[in-house]
Amino acid sequence: DTAVSQTPKYLVTQMGNDKSIKCEQNLGHDTMYWYKQDSKKFLKIMFSYNNKELIINETVPNRFSPKSPDKAHLNLHINSLELGDSAVYFCASSPEVHNSPLHFGNGTRLTVT
Amino acid sequence: SQQGEEDPQALSIQEGENATMNCSYKTSINNLQWYRQNSGRGLVHLILIRSNEREKHSGRLRVTLDTSKKSSSLLITASRAADTASYFCALTDSWGKFQFGAGTQVVVTP
Repeated sequence: DTAVSQTPKYLVTQMGNDKSIKCEQNLGHDTMYWYKQDSKKFLKIMFSYNNKELIINETVPNRFSPKSPDKAHLNLHINSLELGDSAVYFCASSPEVHNSPLHFGNGTRLTVT
Repeated sequence: SQQGEEDPQALSIQEGENATMNCSYKTSINNLQWYRQNSGRGLVHLILIRSNEREKHSGRLRVTLDTSKKSSSLLITASRAADTASYFCALTDSWGKFQFGAGTQVVVTP
């Protein structure tokens, strides 16, 4: 009964490949997010969806494309992976956009070789 | 930048001691949140304090907010080894923009 679950937990792939990370929340929240955490633990927001609509789209290469089939799911697809994409990617959800606590998944550690 | 800047970057204490970390910012805020991240896990929300509040408590945690100094502090009393984690502040500014600070790494030794 995990609240925010993302898969896979680890992803090792070669440069140039395309990969997806999936996220699901069972909290009934309207808003979902993707965050990237670099090696220095700095967290940077990438995208946010509210009721399946994109509301935050920070400066992220267009190789990254989020998809929200319904408000409980927000997947992240990455094309043409580069070495610099290696990081931990976190999915999160909240009842409303950023004015309420965020609930995080346990992260996907992406390693691009 | 309205990103919270945390101080210290790292803190090492012994069990039973108190741990205090600070978060300073530059713009007006709607609220400020504190999160904990254990190694290899996602962030866990601890406390949200609104701009019109000055202090909040949750168990052994105490958060203060001084909007005149644009700073917040998180105090962990009677620390335990299980409190070893990174602690992040996150703030929502008056324009709705939200950012995390760089975090304070706390190590509690038995």
